[in-house]
Amino acid sequence: NAGVMQNPRHLVRRRGQEARLRCSPVKGHSHVYWYRQLPEEGLKFMVYLQKENIIDESGMPKERFSAEFPKEGPSILRIQQVVRGDSAAYFCASSGQAEAFFGQGTRLTVV
Amino acid sequence: AQRVTQPEKLLSVFKGAPVELKCNYSYSGSPELFWYVQYSRQRLQLLLRHISRESIKGFTADLNKGETSFHLKKPFAQEEDSAMYYCALSAGGTSYGKLTFGQGTILTVHP
Repeated sequence: NAGVMQNPRHLVRRRGQEARLRCSPVKGHSHVYWYRQLPEEGLKFMVYLQKENIIDESGMPKERFSAEFPKEGPSILRIQQVVRGDSAAYFCASSGQAEAFFGQGTRLTVV
Repeated sequence: AQRVTQPEKLLSVFKGAPVELKCNYSYSGSPELFWYVQYSRQRLQLLLRHISRESIKGFTADLNKGETSFHLKKPFAQEEDSAMYYCALSAGGTSYGKLTFGQGTILTVHP
């Protein structure tokens, strides 16, 4: 069991480009969560997905951000037209029937 | 709205001294409270949850509903306890991964 795998670990994008962050949950887990951690802040919930469904996106910015968890393959967090303020660590977690397990995060830097 | 507050950003103690990491929360319902730990260069991992009432690595935490607190305690700190600690709250139900985090406390245990 490799745990939650996120890639890439580090991503550099220029302003206006797109960023795609991937998360492979623990094998057998059907719940995926994305969090963002801005510098000097705690983790903030963004979105909760089950296979092919968005369950709760109350923490997602209204524009430029989207997430999916297809039937096959990893969950994707997509940020379009990135701005400097999107620079942060993005964490993914997955859960089955009990606790959530976290990935090591993707550190996005927008230059 | 739910909120978790960790008033201490940094906490330093000497090896063998008692340690208490403070956590206060606000939530109108019956929350589930957790402590997560992140050791250097490792992923976030669950340390303990109030429902299980167990002691992990010598740490305990008691939910005090009157004071809305969930402080983490250890009677004798060890150098390997040095890490970032996050208190987190869940509204309960089946979405174990939808958490509200505090800002974290960096614990340093000196030899």
